[in-house]
Amino acid sequence: DSGVTQTPKHLITATGQRVTLRCSPRSGDLSVYWYQQSLDQGLQFLIQYYNGEERAKGNILERFSAQQFPDLHSELNLSSLELGDSALYFCASSVRIDSYEQYFGPGTRLTVT
Amino acid sequence: QQPVQSPQAVILREGEDAVINCSSSKALYSVHWYRQKHGEAPVFLMILLKGGEQKGHEKISASFNEKKQQSSLYLTASQLSYSGTYFCGVQGGTSYGKLTFGQGTILTVHP
Repeated sequence: DSGVTQTPKHLITATGQRVTLRCSPRSGDLSVYWYQQSLDQGLQFLIQYYNGEERAKGNILERFSAQQFPDLHSELNLSSLELGDSALYFCASSVRIDSYEQYFGPGTRLTVT
Repeated sequence: QQPVQSPQAVILREGEDAVINCSSSKALYSVHWYRQKHGEAPVFLMILLKGGEQKGHEKISASFNEKKQQSSLYLTASQLSYSGTYFCGVQGGTSYGKLTFGQGTILTVHP
């Protein structure tokens, strides 16, 4: 158990819908990272927040957005969902700002039908 | 750009050694290694920073050639528990938290 929690574990929704994935980092970690893992794209970095502020951005679609709240938990919002958004979404956390030693949560499996 | 890992897959018997390579076309600040078992989250193994600092798993070693932008992960006397997919993640100098992962190397250890 990494200490990072993610909810929900599974999500099944239809195309065009909007979903929110939630992540609670390990106690004391200020950085939260979001990743998308699919069979054809591998593990893709989406976005990083550090102490409430966006610090790094990957190839995150405009339909996706994220935020980190004062209590350091983070949410990833995915809207206008497409079949290709089906994937495993991981959240990770670390103490430092520079991705040093990230601890991954169990992931949320999103299926878009 | 995604780093390139080789080999794509390797099969071992318990006790054998393996080397997994990671190569980038860009200058690197650090290289990170993770292992992911099927259906589970990636687990941190090791980080190697420019300048020689390392932190990682006591039974796994790695090297980082800054000039060649390459890293190798050395798995010695492999155990069944080493099976999984190994990912290298690379970080450029100014990208703070952005890790770009390779496509992964599948390691299978048989009794």
